[in-house]
Amino acid sequence: EAQVTQNPRYLITVTGKKLTVTCSQNMNHEYMSWYRQDPGLGLRQIYYSMNVEVTDKGDVPEGYKVSRKEKRNFPLILESPSPNQTSLYFCASSLMPGVAGELFFGEGSRLTVL
Amino acid sequence: QQQVKQSPQSLIVQKGGIPIINCAYENTAFDYFPWYQQFPGKGPALLIAIRPDVSEKKEGRFTISFNKSAKQFSLHIMDSQPGDSATYFCAASPRNFNKFYFGSGTKLNVKP
Repeated sequence: EAQVTQNPRYLITVTGKKLTVTCSQNMNHEYMSWYRQDPGLGLRQIYYSMNVEVTDKGDVPEGYKVSRKEKRNFPLILESPSPNQTSLYFCASSLMPGVAGELFFGEGSRLTVL
Repeated sequence: QQQVKQSPQSLIVQKGGIPIINCAYENTAFDYFPWYQQFPGKGPALLIAIRPDVSEKKEGRFTISFNKSAKQFSLHIMDSQPGDSATYFCAASPRNFNKFYFGSGTKLNVKP
């Protein structure tokens, strides 16, 4: 089954404790991206990757890091989480930038930072 | 500041009604305008999308109307059903699809 898989789905952590949210897609998609969803703000793009080893900032990159060492994986790293990073996070992928615009989303990772 | 402004924030209609959700943008570099549907506990899923070279696109009961000069687009749901109850997001992207800008979302409740 074609899908984008995120882990963990739920996480409660404390300020300053580094964490990684993994994202993997099995559709051979070139493009991957991370979003955070907050009430009243919709989805805001954190980082995106057009292909392996190429990443760029979205609208809200502060406090986050990403890496794209292989095509299928795009982990989101919070080096020192803070309470304002409490949010619902979505990873998404797309077949080929410039050709197909449809984003396929994972089921989300709800993060709480105390 | 929000690049895509969406209204209303929430909407309640009776079954069979025609909810309309509106979005507006300023950036003329936007070239692709999708709508995503999100059910509770799930990720958004593409519903329908339009490019600015057409004024309307219809897929089943869902229609996008696009007004390029006004920089506005809207989603109409014909003969709405309780199963359409979800949160709807409009979005916009430039030609190379590298960045997507989403509206704030509209929570639709279709009453039986």
